[in-house]
Amino acid sequence: DARVTQTPRHKVTEMGQEVTMRCQPILGHNTVFWYRQTMMQGLELLAYFRNRAPLDDSGMPKDRFSAEMPDATLATLKIQPSEPRDSAVYFCASGVAAGFGYEQYFGPGTRLTVT
Amino acid sequence: SQQGEEDPQALSIQEGENATMNCSYKTSINNLQWYRQNSGRGLVHLILIRSNEREKHSGRLRVTLDTSKKSSSLLITASRAADTASYFCATDGGFSGGYNKLIFGAGTRLAVHP
Repeated sequence: DARVTQTPRHKVTEMGQEVTMRCQPILGHNTVFWYRQTMMQGLELLAYFRNRAPLDDSGMPKDRFSAEMPDATLATLKIQPSEPRDSAVYFCASGVAAGFGYEQYFGPGTRLTVT
Repeated sequence: SQQGEEDPQALSIQEGENATMNCSYKTSINNLQWYRQNSGRGLVHLILIRSNEREKHSGRLRVTLDTSKKSSSLLITASRAADTASYFCATDGGFSGGYNKLIFGAGTRLAVHP
């Protein structure tokens, strides 16, 4: 049963600390998405990768967030320095083309709390 | 900005009843997708309906799409307590900037009571 995995599942950190979230997409999927979910903003797209290349990171605060995909089995989202407003659930999703578009398969999320 | 807007925001029904959720959007789409999210979990893809389709079924799910009204509905028939979750519509505006971007609505929270 192929699924997207994310680590850690929960992270509590202090303001100013670096946070790294990891995602393993489903084998064979060539698209990876990072989302952030909060009660106020809902689900927001932060970054998109295709074949490991970042195609869109316009939703990501550039000064503190960075997303990379060092190989086909690992995507990372880093926040440095973290701030309380970054507290949210961060989801990774990988996709496979489905006709006109992509069905996306979501990981379980990383619940980040910045104090 | 959110493209899809779900209605109602919350829905409470008894087991066995049907649940209908609606989604409206503003711009033209390539396809529209529905996802379910159980509390504390990731989203699960339910169904994708293309812009040239009007209706699609999957088990107890029925999705309709009216592109002239820019709206879609998700019907869950004979609901079960296990259907309790948030349901999101997501619009795919087509290939732009190198990929198909999904924009999610705020979701409908469905509670099915035994």
